[in-house]
Amino acid sequence: QKEVEQNSGPLSVPEGAIASLNCTYSDRGSQSFFWYRQYSGKSPELIMFIYSNGDKEDGRFTAQLNKASQYVSLLIRDSQPSDSATYLCAVADYKLSFGAGTTVTVRA
Amino acid sequence: GAVVSQHPSWVICKSGTSVKIECRSLDFQATTMFWYRQFPKQSLMLMATSNEGSKATYEQGVEKDKFLINHASLTLSTLTVTSAHPEDSSFYICSALLAPHKGPYSTEAFFGQGTRLTVV
Repeated sequence: QKEVEQNSGPLSVPEGAIASLNCTYSDRGSQSFFWYRQYSGKSPELIMFIYSNGDKEDGRFTAQLNKASQYVSLLIRDSQPSDSATYLCAVADYKLSFGAGTTVTVRA
Repeated sequence: GAVVSQHPSWVICKSGTSVKIECRSLDFQATTMFWYRQFPKQSLMLMATSNEGSKATYEQGVEKDKFLINHASLTLSTLTVTSAHPEDSSFYICSALLAPHKGPYSTEAFFGQGTRLTVV
């Protein structure tokens, strides 16, 4: 499987702040990148996908991709306590390879 | 979005018995389904890729005789954990790929709710 690296955290941010999550991947040929959110005991749910270099925004979430640096990030603006979860970075060709996940805690 | 139903959501079994987990795509056809395993505080690890009508492709280190996968139709794949042992206790998750899918991997993959297996 492709190597996908994430900081495991935990990342603690105050409510209303920006949470910044980072992910690096080993296969320079990777084309598709995903961010999933996983609550404890639940299966992952897709938040964002990104294929092209640059930024992609969806509501309070922004994904950033830099293929030259093999780096993808997720920003969560105006963090809410409901954003507290584990965030998984995934890289795909015809199957997904997941990072270990970063646990985010948003303090009220 | 499309719905993938996984059943059961949790199961407790005795050591040495077998357990079957079902993964159904409810409103779409899935030629490919993936089976993952997740231990506490760890990431999802792909166990095998299941293709309708053919043998599953197992990842390195996954025993195909222990984890039997059947994908007999475009809407159903099953994972049977045979002769389960306590170390098989884990969270098992399936993912179904919408057919036809645009390669490379796109957003057209949907996760089941997961099955918590506890072997006692």
